[in-house]
Amino acid sequence: NAGVMQNPRHLVRRRGQEARLRCSPMKGHSHVYWYRQLPEEGLKFMVYLQKENIIDESGMPKERFSAEFPKEGPSILRIQQVVRGDSAAYFCASSPRGTRGETQYFGPGTRLLVL
Amino acid sequence: AQKVTQAQTEISVVEKEDVTLDCVYETRDTTYYLFWYKQPPSGELVFLIRRNSFDEQNEISGRYSWNFQKSTSSFNFTITASQVVDSAVYFCALSEPLNAGNMLTFGGGTRLMVKP
Repeated sequence: NAGVMQNPRHLVRRRGQEARLRCSPMKGHSHVYWYRQLPEEGLKFMVYLQKENIIDESGMPKERFSAEFPKEGPSILRIQQVVRGDSAAYFCASSPRGTRGETQYFGPGTRLLVL
Repeated sequence: AQKVTQAQTEISVVEKEDVTLDCVYETRDTTYYLFWYKQPPSGELVFLIRRNSFDEQNEISGRYSWNFQKSTSSFNFTITASQVVDSAVYFCALSEPLNAGNMLTFGGGTRLMVKP
């Protein structure tokens, strides 16, 4: 019973490059959430997606960041033209039905380092 | 706006001591959900417990117990007879469905160090 999968686990990019982070939800889960954890801080919500739909992107920076969850394949968080301040751990979580207050199960995270 | 405060940034105990991690929350809603997650040194986030605002019964799971007090807006977590493997960062989180959708609002975390 595989949990939430994220890859890569570690990603190094130079300023100005693009970062693509992938998340495969738990089997049977069709709701995905992305959170960012800056060093020594708690997690901050970024975006909530259902298959082919963005439900809530209120925590997503307006520029350079985008997310998708296609009908087939993993959810992708894309960061264009990365800057040093994007260095963080990015966590994906999933839940089965998207009902209010449902437990979200987290993946192992992707640690992004921008040089 | 919803907010979660974990005032203890770091706690150090010796193995077999009991330890309580505090969590205080703010919410405008009468229906909400509280969670605890554990982040061990390996970095992943492990779900520990979910509690809804209508269930104030305390819960015990092995050496873990949770004390939910609506009157003081607190959801504290106690580890009895701590072990070195309990060393981790513990996060309290709040879901306020009517006002904030399905997002979780996390506290800043409490780093627990259990020394042998």
